[in-house]
Amino acid sequence: GAGVSQSPSNKVTEKGKDVELRCDPISGHTALYWYRQSLGQGLEFLIYFQGNSAPDKSGLPSDRFSAERTGGSVSTLTIQRTQQEDSAVYLCASSSSYAQYFGPGTRLLVL
Amino acid sequence: GDSVTQMEGPVTLSEEAFLTINCTYTATGYPSLFWYVQYPGEGLQLLLKATKADDKGSNKGFEATYRKETTSFHLEKGSVQVSDSAVYFCALSQAGGGADGLTFGKGTHLIIQP
Repeated sequence: GAGVSQSPSNKVTEKGKDVELRCDPISGHTALYWYRQSLGQGLEFLIYFQGNSAPDKSGLPSDRFSAERTGGSVSTLTIQRTQQEDSAVYLCASSSSYAQYFGPGTRLLVL
Repeated sequence: GDSVTQMEGPVTLSEEAFLTINCTYTATGYPSLFWYVQYPGEGLQLLLKATKADDKGSNKGFEATYRKETTSFHLEKGSVQVSDSAVYFCALSQAGGGADGLTFGKGTHLIIQP
C-alpha cells in the first residue's frame, strides 16, 4: 500500500518481557518518527530519524526504550523489561516535506 | 518548551451547526501549524496545515488561519455533519520541513448529533 504500515496491530505481553514494534514508512520519505498515545499523557514524541543519520532520542521516556532504522527505511522500536505504564498505542509517522503521515499504530498492553 | 492548548471537550453539536475548536500555542520562532483528525477506530490523518503567519489551511470544508499576533490556529467549519464526529488534534512543528517531532494538544472530542 501507499501509506505507513505498522506491525503488529495489537500486542499483549507480560510485565518484564521485551517487545519489538515495526514500522514501514511511505516509500521515498526520509524522515521517520515514533510517538506514543496514551489516555493520561496524550500524544508524546519519542524519537526521530532523518535518513541514515543518528536519531534524535530526546523524547524517549527511559533507557528501556530504543529504536533503530535499517537502510534508511524500516524502523523497529524496542521496549525492554516492559512495565504496565508502557501500555499505550505506539504510532509511527513518516515525512518528506511539511507534514507527517501516520500509520495505524500498535496497541500494546502490558499485563 | 513549546506547547499547544486546545479545548478538550467533548464538544456536542447538532448537524449543520457552526463549529469552532480553539487552539493556541506557545513557541519560539515561526512554527508550522497543523490540525490532525482521528476518526473512531482509525489512525491520525492530516486535516490541514499552515506554514507561515496569515496562511489559511483548508480541507473538507474545514479552515484554520495562522494568527501570529494571537498565537492561535482555530479550526472552523460552517456546517458540520455526523461524519465529522472524531477527535481533533492541533499540533506544531518547529522545523519548516516537518523535520522534528510534532507537539500536540490533548485533542478535542467532537460529537455531532443528527
